[in-house]
Amino acid sequence: GQSLEQPSEVTAVEGAIVQINCTYQTSGFYGLSWYQQHDGGAPTFLSYNALDGLEETGRFSSFLSRSDSYGYLLLQELQMKDSASYFCAVGQGNKLTFGGGTRVLVKP
Amino acid sequence: GAVVSQHPSWVICKSGTSVKIECRSLDFQATTMFWYRQFPKQSLMLMATSNEGSKATYEQGVEKDKFLINHASLTLSTLTVTSAHPEDSSFYICSASLLTGQSYEQYFGPGTRLTVT
Repeated sequence: GQSLEQPSEVTAVEGAIVQINCTYQTSGFYGLSWYQQHDGGAPTFLSYNALDGLEETGRFSSFLSRSDSYGYLLLQELQMKDSASYFCAVGQGNKLTFGGGTRVLVKP
Repeated sequence: GAVVSQHPSWVICKSGTSVKIECRSLDFQATTMFWYRQFPKQSLMLMATSNEGSKATYEQGVEKDKFLINHASLTLSTLTVTSAHPEDSSFYICSASLLTGQSYEQYFGPGTRLTVT
């Protein structure tokens, strides 16, 4: 089976940088994905890492270390609209298993 | 592109009745769709994988006779909650996967909030 651990909540101010860590245990690994979900909304895809290293997409970056079974999502220049839950997910075949989610609260 | 819709967005039903939720891929063909359940402030729990033209694959602990899934076409999958009870009240979300090269992403519908009274 798979299990993923991520912090439950992070609070930061506008303009700050937040790093959300995700550690995982899986039998079979096809990559680590990150999703954003605003309250009452659907998850939206942010990024995907299949190989070790850093992937940058605008203000958001994602990192993966397969040897450490670890990844993180980096949110830079935080904006109020970034207040949401962020989920890491591992792929196995065509299925995703999600972590418990990290609630990010951005304060003025 | 890759838009997934769900209908209805919310539904209230009485205990013992059945509710059908539709999931459509609007601008692409989805051979595989997924159904998730999410309780407030919790993660998404995969219920089943729906394959066009074949029986759904249910995750451990999900009652296949209670949550009926049909994937009759490449753009439509339905989830029917049969004999609903208050504990079935939840947020149900469908998704479709697009495997393109190195990318691995799923596109989610807007979800259906089910309340069973």
